[in-house]
Amino acid sequence: DVKVTQSSRYLVKRTGEKVFLECVQDMDHENMFWYRQDPGLGLRLIYFSYDVKMKEKGDIPEGYSVSREKKERFSLILESASTNQTSMYLCASMSGGTGELFFGEGSRLTVL
Amino acid sequence: AQSVAQPEDQVNVAEGNPLTVKCTYSVSGNPYLFWYVQYPNRGLQFLLKYITGDNLVKGSYGFEAEFNKSQTSFHLKKPSALVSDSALYFCAVTGGKLIFGQGTELSVKP
Repeated sequence: DVKVTQSSRYLVKRTGEKVFLECVQDMDHENMFWYRQDPGLGLRLIYFSYDVKMKEKGDIPEGYSVSREKKERFSLILESASTNQTSMYLCASMSGGTGELFFGEGSRLTVL
Repeated sequence: AQSVAQPEDQVNVAEGNPLTVKCTYSVSGNPYLFWYVQYPNRGLQFLLKYITGDNLVKGSYGFEAEFNKSQTSFHLKKPSALVSDSALYFCAVTGGKLIFGQGTELSVKP
C-alpha cells in the first residue's frame, strides 16, 4: 500500500521559532509537493521538487524553504514562524506526469 | 489565467438521493481533470480522473464524473448518496501544474 508519511500531525510553536515539517514517501516517486490548506482558499502550492536537490517555487513560497537531499524525503522549513503561518500543511508525491497525487495525513501547525 | 471554480461552498443532500458537486475550469489545451476527497483531519484521497476518451469517468466509492468540453465542466456525481460520503471534495486540473478548486463541503443527512 502506497504511503506518504508526515512526521508530525499537530505542532504548536512560538513566533520566531524555526519549524521543520518532514515528509517521507515509499513509492519511489520523482515529484514531491508541499501545500498549505486554509478554509475557503483550498490548497495553495508552496514548493515542489521534481528530483533530488531540485526545487521550484509554487504560488506562495514567501517565508518558507525546502530541502530534498534524498528522493524519498522532502522537508518544509519555516525559518522564523509567524502567526499567519498557522495552517494545515499537506505533503504529496506523484509519479512522473500522471497528475495523480498521493497525500500525507497533514500537519496542523499553530503559531502563537 | 488558469483557474478552477467550485461554485458551491456546501451541498446538502438526503441519504439515498443523487448528488452533484460542480466544477468548472479555465485552462488552455487539453487538461487532465481530477476529483479528490478529504475526510475530517485527514489528507486528500484520489477519487477519479479524466484524461481522454469517454466523457463519463467512474471512480472510487461509486462516484463518477462527467466531462463536458463545451461547458468546461467536470461535475462529480453519485446516484445514491450515503451518510459516509460527507466530506470535503476538491476538483483539480493540470495546466502545467495541478490547480485545485476551493473545495465543496458535502453533507449527507439520514
